[in-house]
Amino acid sequence: EAQVTQNPRYLITVTGKKLTVTCSQNMNHEYMSWYRQDPGLGLRQIYYSMNVEVTDKGDVPEGYKVSRKEKRNFPLILESPSPNQTSLYFCASRPGEATKQYFGPGTRLTVT
Amino acid sequence: QKEVEQDPGPLSVPEGAIVSLNCTYSNSAFQYFMWYRQYSRKGPELLMYTYSSGNKEDGRFTAQVDKSSKYISLFIRDSQPSDSATYLCAMRGDSNYQLIWGAGTKLIIKP
Repeated sequence: EAQVTQNPRYLITVTGKKLTVTCSQNMNHEYMSWYRQDPGLGLRQIYYSMNVEVTDKGDVPEGYKVSRKEKRNFPLILESPSPNQTSLYFCASRPGEATKQYFGPGTRLTVT
Repeated sequence: QKEVEQDPGPLSVPEGAIVSLNCTYSNSAFQYFMWYRQYSRKGPELLMYTYSSGNKEDGRFTAQVDKSSKYISLFIRDSQPSDSATYLCAMRGDSNYQLIWGAGTKLIIKP
């Protein structure tokens, strides 16, 4: 089944404790991205990647890191999480210039 | 001012009603206009997309783009309780593949 998977789905952590949210897609898509979704603000892009080893900042990259060492994986790293990073996070992928993005199921992160 | 404005709702209508969801935008370079549907605790899924101006119909759903007014709409006919979800508009230009998103409108269809 073609899909984007994220892990974990739910995470509660404390300020300053490094964490990684994994994202993997099995559709051989070139383009992957991370979004956060907050009430009233919609989806805001954190980082995106056009292909392996090519990443760029989105609208709200502060406090986040990403890497794209393999085509299928695009992990999101929070080196020192803070409470303002409490949010719902989505990974998405699409084939190159296509309009249709495929979203993962989301990761709900709470930082206390 | 945001590039894409969308009323967050909630919009509550009775089953069977015609629903109109809308977004306005400011960037005249936008050419691709998309509607995504997001059920609770799920990721968004593409519902429809339109290139440039005009209408597109798919079953009970019609997407409409008015570039002169910088206004896009999604109409749902014969609305069903299963249509209850958050509807997000998204758009981009021809050469810039980054999507710009509306905040999403929460729709509730009452049986």
